[in-house]
Amino acid sequence: DQQVKQNSPSLSVQEGRISILNCDYTNSMFDYFLWYKKYPAEGPTFLISISSIKDKNEDGRFTVFLNKSAKHLSLHIVPSQPGDSAVYFCAANWGAQKLVFGQGTRLTINP
Amino acid sequence: KAGVTQTPRYLIKTRGQQVTLSCSPISGHRSVSWYQQTPGQGLQFLFEYFSETQRNKGNFPGRFSGRQFSNSRSEMNVSTLELGDSALYLCASSPQFSGANVLTFGAGSRLTVL
Repeated sequence: DQQVKQNSPSLSVQEGRISILNCDYTNSMFDYFLWYKKYPAEGPTFLISISSIKDKNEDGRFTVFLNKSAKHLSLHIVPSQPGDSAVYFCAANWGAQKLVFGQGTRLTINP
Repeated sequence: KAGVTQTPRYLIKTRGQQVTLSCSPISGHRSVSWYQQTPGQGLQFLFEYFSETQRNKGNFPGRFSGRQFSNSRSEMNVSTLELGDSALYLCASSPQFSGANVLTFGAGSRLTVL
């Protein structure tokens, strides 16, 4: 049962434009959502999070939007830079100590 | 401060063998989680330990086991290896849980089963 889904395995964006990565979830009990970024041969690194009581959280070029009624969240990166090329994972947790991850989206920023 | 350290980084085993992977969490972090990453499956949760106790377990067969020591270091073991166990095994640590469970990951141990 995939509780967190990232339906786009890959995304290609021009440098300087906006990158939008999407994530859907099924469990309405999730209380925090997180985005992680992963480069090859490295572990995932935490990027940004949002509480379920909020609908937006911003940190520099990164903004996460949460639509609870649609059980959908998205990560916006503006402007996109070549160093943003990586695999992005959406994750969620509720009370328990485990994070549930999506399958990941490979983002490629083209010069 | 030092990050999460996983050893070995790479290893090759044959079917039927067993393997032990090690993880040293960030100093002061008492929670250690293990994940399996395979192409197309994302990160699948294996188990989580806190103060030497397993608090959560994912949907993996009993061949996958783990433990945590009093210094918070953790090991995971996979017995009777199968080809499908080839994956990147990631360890992550976090301090006492509060709010968003932000995990800090190690670089992983890449296991290849032949």
